[in-house]
Amino acid sequence: KNEVEQSPQNLTAQEGEFITINCSYSVGISALHWLQQHPGGGIVSLFMLSSGKKKHGRLIATINIQEKHSSLHITASHPRDSAVYICAVETSGSRLTFGEGTQLTVNP
Amino acid sequence: EAGVVQSPRYKIIEKKQPVAFWCNPISGHNTLYWYLQNLGQGPELLIRYENEEAVDDSQLPKDRFSAERLKGVDSTLKIQPAELGDSAVYLCASSKQGVETQYFGPGTRLLVL
Repeated sequence: KNEVEQSPQNLTAQEGEFITINCSYSVGISALHWLQQHPGGGIVSLFMLSSGKKKHGRLIATINIQEKHSSLHITASHPRDSAVYICAVETSGSRLTFGEGTQLTVNP
Repeated sequence: EAGVVQSPRYKIIEKKQPVAFWCNPISGHNTLYWYLQNLGQGPELLIRYENEEAVDDSQLPKDRFSAERLKGVDSTLKIQPAELGDSAVYLCASSKQGVETQYFGPGTRLLVL
């Protein structure tokens, strides 16, 4: 079992829909990161959080430390949001362990 | 501000050949990471540098992989000899302090034939 599990693996939505991507982890962490990777492109850091909730534009990230669970929400999704979204947890020794990613496709 | 620069962007080599990747981190970032990313999977850490010191290389296959960051700025990752299974994207990232926010380069896509 991976230390970081994301669901769903693939997600297809229509433009305007509200999207949720989930991340569960099994180890103690000091922080959790959400990252975005476009096809053929680099990885962009979206959020780093250790408690509560953060919002940036149409993106919202939440974390529940007790339940070892985080969610990434996208409101009013747009085709340009199509990308792979990766959850990564920061453990002791400042190491990042990555999930396998969620491939999001938003159709116009 | 320029981002993390990697070169080459793409590399195709025959198995058993050597290959090297270069990374120039964001100016002022003392922490540098090399990751390997296989298709459909998340990145896996190969090595992490704090300045010129490799502080975490436990995942680096040292029989064929080597890395250096001689002056604590640019870094080179080398594979010698390359194997078919080494085909992947090699990502470089940097951060200012520890693992606060990592900034990733575009990666080098390696294909070993």
